[in-house]
Amino acid sequence: GAGVSQSPSNKVTEKGKDVELRCDPISGHTALYWYRQSLGQGLEFLIYFQGNSAPDKSGLPSDRFSAERTGGSVSTLTIQRTQQEDSAVYLCASSSPSTRLAGGHLLYNEQFFGPGTRLTVL
Amino acid sequence: GENVEQHPSTLSVQEGDSAVIKCTYSDSASNYFPWYKQELGKGPQLIIDIRSNVGEKKDQRIAVTLNKTAKHFSLHITETQPEDSAVYFCAASIKGGTGGYNKLIFGAGTRLAVHP
Repeated sequence: GAGVSQSPSNKVTEKGKDVELRCDPISGHTALYWYRQSLGQGLEFLIYFQGNSAPDKSGLPSDRFSAERTGGSVSTLTIQRTQQEDSAVYLCASSSPSTRLAGGHLLYNEQFFGPGTRLTVL
Repeated sequence: GENVEQHPSTLSVQEGDSAVIKCTYSDSASNYFPWYKQELGKGPQLIIDIRSNVGEKKDQRIAVTLNKTAKHFSLHITETQPEDSAVYFCAASIKGGTGGYNKLIFGAGTRLAVHP
């Protein structure tokens, strides 16, 4: 079936403009994550959704960043008043929810990543 | 806070040689350790993972070892091929809020170049 898709693949914007990045997760995946990858760096966690709610927003770098998810599917990451330091690749991933095993241990499931959106703020 | 350190940052090998990438993690409660491969212009793709109840896992030319006492894990690629050239990321799970979920902390990545 189809994997995680993201749009646009590339976005060039001027400093101060708002941008919206879209993520379409794999059908049936209730968990959705956003990450930021700066040039030559690792993946920085931004936000996690379980269904339509976001129990963990701890990685959002400032109040200019927000995200929403509707219908338990598509998610949009919005960056307001973009700054040059926002330039990065924004990656989305989805997974089945972790399964709790007997004894309380969690069986984690693979996160499937989309191709990312490369954002350039001039 | 929790972190994952990954070494080396770049690795250059000849085709057919082995490549080893090492990671250390700080959260003793981590129990899931995936490795991702990222090719140019693409998102990361899982290549192998290991859970804390085993010390080693192999899949053809790829193997991962885990030492929970020392809190480090390694990726081993044998008989490297040019198509193995990519950036490799290790990650470790940490407790993700209520209800439990797969929150991963990633290493900074290793750029592997395999020369014919």
